[in-house]
Amino acid sequence: EVQLVESGGGLVQPGGSLRLSCAASGFTFSSYAMSWVRQAPGKGLEWVSAISGSGGSTYYADSVKGRFTISRDNSKNTLYLQMNSLRAEDTAVYYCAKDRGDTAMVTYYMDVWGKGTTVTVSS
Amino acid sequence: EIVLTQSPATLSLSPGERATLSCRASQSVSSYLAWYQQKPGQAPRLLIYDASNRATGIPARFSGSGSGTDFTLTISSLEPEDFAVYYCQQRSNWPPGTFGQGTKLEIK
Repeated sequence: EVQLVESGGGLVQPGGSLRLSCAASGFTFSSYAMSWVRQAPGKGLEWVSAISGSGGSTYYADSVKGRFTISRDNSKNTLYLQMNSLRAEDTAVYYCAKDRGDTAMVTYYMDVWGKGTTVTVSS
Repeated sequence: EIVLTQSPATLSLSPGERATLSCRASQSVSSYLAWYQQKPGQAPRLLIYDASNRATGIPARFSGSGSGTDFTLTISSLEPEDFAVYYCQQRSNWPPGTFGQGTKLEIK
């Protein structure tokens, strides 16, 4: 069974840092691009970042560029999101998602999602 | 920056009825548009990609159409489990992965 399990969320003060992890199983992790998508409380979906299967190409929304870093460890089947200089507006559920394309390139279409991990930025 | 506008914001229908949801892009996205369904407390689910292709395991009552700037998601006969929020998403223009604001499909 294809599965994604996020972890690492929590309460952090403005200006703080947090690292999210996403453990993948049930598919050849390195063959697929991956993304992070977030959803603020009561709001819609916002794409945050994506990474190719090899990890050689990364993409960021303008709202997080320069503050967040996406990475992956294909030997551990794990995706990461390092979040620095956190702001109140970063408060959201963060979803890890598998790209549907099987070329390891990013298509931005996401066919498998984790259940999400909650990040709250507040003093 | 591209903007996706979904309409209506809320659609009230009964089981068995036909649902038509709209997504309009502020500039052409060719056929690079997807639709997702999200139920309360759950992660989104990919329904349609490249405007008209059903994702794996998606029932045939879901169909997508359109190209350029105007797109439609149609649910031919609503089942009770179809009442949810639906989002469109484009991958053609910057910023990639942009979502619309969503349409809530509720039971009348």
